[in-house]
Amino acid sequence: QKEVEQDPGPLSVPEGAIVSLNCTYSNSAFQYFMWYRQYSRKGPELLMYTYSSGNKEDGRFTAQVDKSSKYISLFIRDSQPSDSATYLCAMRLNSGAGSYQLTFGKGTKLSVIP
Amino acid sequence: NAGVTQTPKFRILKIGQSMTLQCAQDMNHNYMYWYRQDPGMGLKLIYYSVGAGITDKGEVPNGYNVSRSTTEDFPLRLELAAPSQTSVYFCASSYSWERTGELFFGEGSRLTVL
Repeated sequence: QKEVEQDPGPLSVPEGAIVSLNCTYSNSAFQYFMWYRQYSRKGPELLMYTYSSGNKEDGRFTAQVDKSSKYISLFIRDSQPSDSATYLCAMRLNSGAGSYQLTFGKGTKLSVIP
Repeated sequence: NAGVTQTPKFRILKIGQSMTLQCAQDMNHNYMYWYRQDPGMGLKLIYYSVGAGITDKGEVPNGYNVSRSTTEDFPLRLELAAPSQTSVYFCASSYSWERTGELFFGEGSRLTVL
């Protein structure tokens, strides 16, 4: 079982739709959870950063973490064509040498159609 | 501020050649990282540095070397290039250990080894 599983898509939705992106993980020691957005031929940029379980909202974006199920989600409301990108989930440990490293999912490619 | 700057953006190498990927950041971040991104795979950590003069191996360090003589610069050296090193390389930085998940990425260096 891979440490982080993420459906690569592609996912295509009409403009204005609600988008749900998900990752599952196997290592219960992960404590920090991130979502990055990566436009084509660009570096990833941080969208959301959460610690432990719960919800975090920032504008049209909501991140959810369910540590009991080892499942994280990113919701995008009122999706726009400018949201078309690859979305990477990432997570890290709270302590130890491995805590300097982020473990990334493979990314989900999203297209928002006008 | 330029953020994280990587050079070159593209490079083609022959098997056995060596080269250095340059990375510079102007945010006064202590922590710097090199990740590689292969098609259909998550980003993998190659090396990281917690400050000038201090570096350590990540998940996939074989075939690479790094140095960190200043806070701003973190070059990645490829010795005896192999086709398996064909990838997109991203340099990233973060302000502190606590904010390791808040990575600022460069735009990437695309390397092909033939």
